[in-house]
Amino acid sequence: NAGVTQTPKFQVLKTGQSMTLQCAQDMNHNSMYWYRQDPGMGLRLIYYSASEGTTDKGEVPNGYNVSRLNKREFSLRLESAAPSQTSVYFCASIGTVNYGYTFGSGTRLTVV
Amino acid sequence: AQSVSQHNHHVILSEAASLELGCNYSYGGTVNLFWYVQYPGQHLQLLLKYFSGDPLVKGIKGFEAEFIKSKFSFNLRKPSVQWSDTAEYFCAVKTPSGYSTLTFGKGTMLLVSP
Repeated sequence: NAGVTQTPKFQVLKTGQSMTLQCAQDMNHNSMYWYRQDPGMGLRLIYYSASEGTTDKGEVPNGYNVSRLNKREFSLRLESAAPSQTSVYFCASIGTVNYGYTFGSGTRLTVV
Repeated sequence: AQSVSQHNHHVILSEAASLELGCNYSYGGTVNLFWYVQYPGQHLQLLLKYFSGDPLVKGIKGFEAEFIKSKFSFNLRKPSVQWSDTAEYFCAVKTPSGYSTLTFGKGTMLLVSP
């Protein structure tokens, strides 16, 4: 099925561990995004990639890095996880803004 | 930077009641406006969007929203809610300079009791 695929769906990390969240879309979209969702905070933009080969910081980039590996894939890396990064992470893509974002199903990350 | 305010964090309604969720944004120029819904345990889905033209926009599942430029508002409405409308609702805005990045409100959790 066409859409945005995120892996893993759940992850528990210890403080200081690193991990990479994977995101892939098969809709030939140019732009991809990483958001985090926290209770009472809505969704906040971490990083985005307007097109293949470019990445930019969003509202809350500290503690994260991203890679736009190719047009399909946009990964988010936590180099040294902190409890404050416990959240639900959503990847999204957009081909044309007229159709809005397509979101992945999310990754629920807990850092202990 | 633009911001989005959703007035109610939690709303509780009985089935068949009417719904109106408030959304205000803080950008004075042309905007694109969206409402997304997130059902429990699921990802966000687009309910409706406004770009231009008729300020009354109809979306899926009987939802509609009205853009009032003078009030910087984009309120979501539904005449008669159902138990299945229980979800969290997010208003979002895109400005022309944003590389299609959306700024989201903090969300309104709607609980519909049968």
